[in-house]
Amino acid sequence: QKEVEQNSGPLSVPEGAIASLNCTYSDRVSQSFFWYRQYSGKSPELIMSIYSNGDKEDGRFTAQLNKASQYVSLLIRDSQPSDSATYLCAVVAPGFQKLVFGTGTRLLVSP
Amino acid sequence: DAGVTQSPTHLIKTRGQHVTLRCSPISGHKSVSWYQQVLGQGPQFIFQYYEKEERGRGNFPDRFSARQFPNYSSELNVNALLLGDSALYLCASSPIAGGIETQYFGPGTRLLVL
Repeated sequence: QKEVEQNSGPLSVPEGAIASLNCTYSDRVSQSFFWYRQYSGKSPELIMSIYSNGDKEDGRFTAQLNKASQYVSLLIRDSQPSDSATYLCAVVAPGFQKLVFGTGTRLLVSP
Repeated sequence: DAGVTQSPTHLIKTRGQHVTLRCSPISGHKSVSWYQQVLGQGPQFIFQYYEKEERGRGNFPDRFSARQFPNYSSELNVNALLLGDSALYLCASSPIAGGIETQYFGPGTRLLVL
């Protein structure tokens, strides 16, 4: 079982819709969770972090964490074509501050 | 302020050769981490250095090595290159060890091994 799992997609949504990106992780003691956006040919950019169960909102982005289910998600409201990118879920490995990334979900927002 | 810089941007090598990749962190950042991103995959942690000391190592063979200099810049060295080493190599800097939320990635070096 992979440490961090994501559906590779692509996830296609029309402009203005809500995009829902999901991620599961295997290590129950993981404490910190991150979402990165990566445009094609570019480096990852941190867009959200979440540490406690529940929702965390930042503009059009909402991160949701459920530690009991070992599940973290990212909702993008009012999706724009400029949101088209690969979204990487990352978890901080217990005992050491290193990021463990999933394979990423490719999001396509059509005008 | 300048962000994380990496050189070279692109590199082509042949199997068995050696390569050195370089990273300059953001001014004031003392921690540098290296990641390998194979096409279609997420980045995979290779090393972290803080204050010139290795603070962590990922699951990579001994062909991979790194060091950090007194000015906090860093080099990643890969010996005896294999085709599977073809990837985007990312450097990330942070002001403190770990410091994920304050970690910024450089543009990467794209390595192709033929």
